[in-house]
Amino acid sequence: KNEVEQSPQNLTAQEGEFITINCSYSVGISALHWLQQHPGGGIVSLFMLSSGKKKHGRLIATINIQEKHSSLHITASHPRDSAVYICAVYNYGGSQGNLIFGKGTKLSVKP
Amino acid sequence: NAGVTQTPKFQVLKTGQSMTLQCAQDMNHEYMSWYRQDPGMGLRLIHYSVGAGITDQGEVPNGYNVSRSTTEDFPLRLLSAAPSQTSVYFCASSYGGDNYEQYFGPGTRLTVT
Repeated sequence: KNEVEQSPQNLTAQEGEFITINCSYSVGISALHWLQQHPGGGIVSLFMLSSGKKKHGRLIATINIQEKHSSLHITASHPRDSAVYICAVYNYGGSQGNLIFGKGTKLSVKP
Repeated sequence: NAGVTQTPKFQVLKTGQSMTLQCAQDMNHEYMSWYRQDPGMGLRLIHYSVGAGITDQGEVPNGYNVSRSTTEDFPLRLLSAAPSQTSVYFCASSYGGDNYEQYFGPGTRLTVT
């Protein structure tokens, strides 16, 4: 069983829809990272969370440490949000350089 | 700041050749890592460093060497390239301490024939 599971694997939405991507993990963590990767592109950090909720523009990330679950929400989705969204966790007690990655959720937003 | 830079962007090697992927950061980050990304596999850690002179193995270290002689640079060496090393390679860095946020380079797409 993977230590970090994301759902769904693929997601197609219409422009303007509210989108939720889920991340569940099975290890104790120090922090959780949401990343974005556009096709053929590099990897960009969206959020770093260790508790609660963070918001940046149309993006909201939440984490529930007790339930070992995090969600990434996109409000009023736009075709430019089309990308792969990756959840990664820092295993508690592990080296800070050592992230455990989910396999990503591929989002496609249609105009 | 340039952030994290990687060279080259693309590379084609023949089986058995060696090469070095370069990674540099200008943010004075203590932690640096190398990952490979393969379809359906997600990102996997190859090697990482917690500071100049200190390196350690990650999940998939075989066939790769690293060194960290300066804070800025963290090169990844392929000793004898194999087709299984065809992948996209990402270098990342972070401050250390309680600041976990990682900054990624643009990636190097390597094909081994």
